[in-house]
Amino acid sequence: GAVVSQHPSRVICKSGTSVKIECRSLDFQATTMFWYRQFPKQSLMLMATSNEGSKATYEQGVEKDKFLINHASLTLSTLTVTSAHPEDSSFYICSTLTGGDTQYFGPGTRLTVL
Amino acid sequence: QQQVKQSPQSLIVQKGGISIINCAYENTAFDYFPWYQQFPGKGPALLIAIRPDVSEKKEGRFTISFNKSAKQFSLHIMDSQPGDSATYFCAASRGGFQKLVFGTGTRLLVSP
Repeated sequence: GAVVSQHPSRVICKSGTSVKIECRSLDFQATTMFWYRQFPKQSLMLMATSNEGSKATYEQGVEKDKFLINHASLTLSTLTVTSAHPEDSSFYICSTLTGGDTQYFGPGTRLTVL
Repeated sequence: QQQVKQSPQSLIVQKGGISIINCAYENTAFDYFPWYQQFPGKGPALLIAIRPDVSEKKEGRFTISFNKSAKQFSLHIMDSQPGDSATYFCAASRGGFQKLVFGTGTRLLVSP
């Protein structure tokens, strides 16, 4: 399967600061990437679909001005959590599509906002 | 109609036993059904996936059974091992670069 990396794996920041999370597709070009959020012992919740060279599509209830997504190349998508607050603390996971249906997930980024 | 219902929420199986996790969906437009395995602090890993044109797919100890008329599908883990202890998610999508809808997850514990 496809190899997807995320950086950083863990980040701790102060309330009110911004944090950028990178998602890289290491072995193929990904025109579409997805960003998910997962709270402890819960399922994955899709936040947005990231398309290379165009604006991301956000799911209902996700603030696009707070969660900025940039997919500037076929191998890199970034998620920036702006003005982070403790309630934004979560596990953020990206995935990439290959062959139309199969999604491969990154290892995730644990965000803790103090 | 976009939901995928998963059961049980948690499951304890003895080593060597069969683990069975069930999912049900409503949207008949779904045509791709993957199962993911997730260990604590890690991203989900694709285990096995099926499309509605087959009723069963087997890969090693993992089997998906699919019942199109009942709109249900299940994961069977044969000869369950302690290393299989993880959270399992079923999912569904309409195919063709469409987003996945995930089930609520099943925490499996395989006792030694």
